[in-house]
Parts: sequence; C-alpha cells; structure tokens
Amino acid sequence: EVQLLESGGGLVQPGGSLRLSCAASGIIFSNYAMNWVRQAPGKGLEWVSAISGSGGSTNYADSVRGRFTISRDNSKNTLYLQMNSLRAEDTAVYYCAKAKRSRFLEWLFFDSWGQGTLVIVSS
Amino acid sequence: DIQMTQSPSSLSASVGDRVTITCQASQDIDNYLSWYQQKPGSAPKLLIYDASNLETGVASRFSGSGSGTDFTFTISSLQPEDTARYYCQQYDEFPPTFGPGTKVDIK
Repeated sequence: EVQLLESGGGLVQPGGSLRLSCAASGIIFSNYAMNWVRQAPGKGLEWVSAISGSGGSTNYADSVRGRFTISRDNSKNTLYLQMNSLRAEDTAVYYCAKAKRSRFLEWLFFDSWGQGTLVIVSS
Repeated sequence: DIQMTQSPSSLSASVGDRVTITCQASQDIDNYLSWYQQKPGSAPKLLIYDASNLETGVASRFSGSGSGTDFTFTISSLQPEDTARYYCQQYDEFPPTFGPGTKVDIK
C-alpha cells in the first residue's frame, strides 16, 4: 500500500520560508513523478509543482515560480518543497501526490495523496 | 492555461438517484481527464482517469465519458457515502488544472 506522509507545515510570517517534506513508502519511489497540490481554505485544488522520477526535470505553477523549489531524495524516498518569500495567498493545505502513470512530467494525474500539511502565512 | 468548468456547482439528490456532473475544457484535451472525490477533511481520491477508466478498487457505480472538450461523470445509484465534492482535472497540457468542483449531498 502506498503511503505518503507530509510534514513541515505551520505558521509563518509574510516573506518567510518553510520547507515541506513528504515521506513515501510502499512504492519504488524513483519510478514516479511526484507533485505538490494545494488547497486554500474553502477553495478548490491547485497544482503547484512537479518533479520527474530522477529529479532531473521540474515544473511550477506561475503563481509560485521563482519562489518555490521542488526536489527529491530518492535514497530517502522523500519529496521536498522549499517555499520562500511566502505570501498570504500561499495559505493552504499542501498535499503531495504521486503521478499514476509515469516517471516523466507528462500526463500528470494523481493516484495517491498524502493527508496534507497546513501552511498559514500571517503576521 | 486550460480552463476547466463544471456544472452544476452543487446538487442534492436522493439515495438511489442517478447523478450527472459535466466538465468542460477551454480547449481540446483529447481524453486526458480525471475525476476525483474529496470528502471534508480528507485528501482527494482518484476515481476515473483517461475520461472513462475506473481506478482500481473504485465502486462500479461511478463512470465517466467524453472526449475533446466535453465530459460527463455519473453516479448510477447515489449512496450516502458519496456525499463529497467532485473535481475534474485535465492533464493534456501544463499546468494540470482542476475544475472548481461540484458538491454532492443527499436530499
């Protein structure tokens, strides 16, 4: 059974930084592209970032490009999201999500999700 | 970005009813569409991918159809545990984008 467990969320001031982690088990981690998807309180789902199975390719939503960095450590089966220059509009539950189909950044839809970690950006 | 719209935004139906949700893409996405169910306080769950393929372990009362720009999600016989918000998502082009969701509850 695939398990994804996020951590690292919390309260941070505007302009601050936070690093989220997602520990994976039950899969050959390097075989799958991994993603971060967020959900602002009471709102819908927004894809944030993706990374290929090898870690060699990444992509970002325009709303976070240049501020967030996705990375992975396949030796530790762990996905990361470094979030800098945080804004109030980044307040959300952040989910890590496994791409079902591929290790590459193509046809990204998500068959396993973590429970989410809440990030609150507020002074 | 490809914009996804869903209708209705919410619906209320009786147990056993057939429920249909539509999803429209702002451009042709072939069949690169998935459907998710999200219950309050929980992560989304993949139900359908490639517009009509049922994810392993998902109840057969859920189904999907369509291609191009117009898609349909159906619950053939609504059950109490189907109370949730349902999202469509396109993955034909970057960035992957979700519809705004449809809230389904029991009348």
